[in-house]
Amino acid sequence: DQQVKQNSPSLSVQEGRISILNCDYTNSMFDYFLWYKKYPAEGPTFLISISSIKDKNEDGRFTVFLNKSAKHLSLHIVPSQPGDSAVYFCAATDSGNTPLVFGKGTRLSVIA
Amino acid sequence: SQTIHQWPATLVQPVGSPLSLECTVEGTSNPNLYWYRQAAGRGLQLLFYSVGIGQISSEVPQNLSASRPQDRQFILSSKKLLLSDSSFYLCAWSGGGSYGYTFGSGTRLTVV
Repeated sequence: DQQVKQNSPSLSVQEGRISILNCDYTNSMFDYFLWYKKYPAEGPTFLISISSIKDKNEDGRFTVFLNKSAKHLSLHIVPSQPGDSAVYFCAATDSGNTPLVFGKGTRLSVIA
Repeated sequence: SQTIHQWPATLVQPVGSPLSLECTVEGTSNPNLYWYRQAAGRGLQLLFYSVGIGQISSEVPQNLSASRPQDRQFILSSKKLLLSDSSFYLCAWSGGGSYGYTFGSGTRLTVV
């Protein structure tokens, strides 16, 4: 049973345009969500997070939106840059000691 | 500041040989520690996690085991490697009131 789903395995965007990566979850106990970015042969690095008490969190070119009623979150990158090309993982937790649950990832390719 | 060290970066081992991957964290005490595996098409799969010395929770029963002999040391082992153990293995830690994880740089294991 996949509790965190990233239904798009890959996404291609032109440089300068907006990239939108989507994530859905099924566990209503999840109340904290994170996005990680991963380059090949490296560990994932934290990008941005959002608590369930908010519906938006922004950090520079990156914005995460949360729609609790739809159990959906999205990561917007604008403008997209070639260096953003990586695999992006969505993760969720119920703020307890249970481990983060990760989606399968979306590979973003930003084309110059 | 906290750092996480994972080694080796790459490893080629014959089928049936033992495995030992080590992970250490510096600059914090009593971290939660995790072993993940990134398999193609399956995203980040949690293998083991530990909330304290000698406390290991297994998420996926398989040919691997984990141990935490010291507070900031986490070891992934196998007595006899299988071809299917070939993957990219990641160690991570969390703690200090943060829900996010910090990942190591990963180990690419190839079983031949």
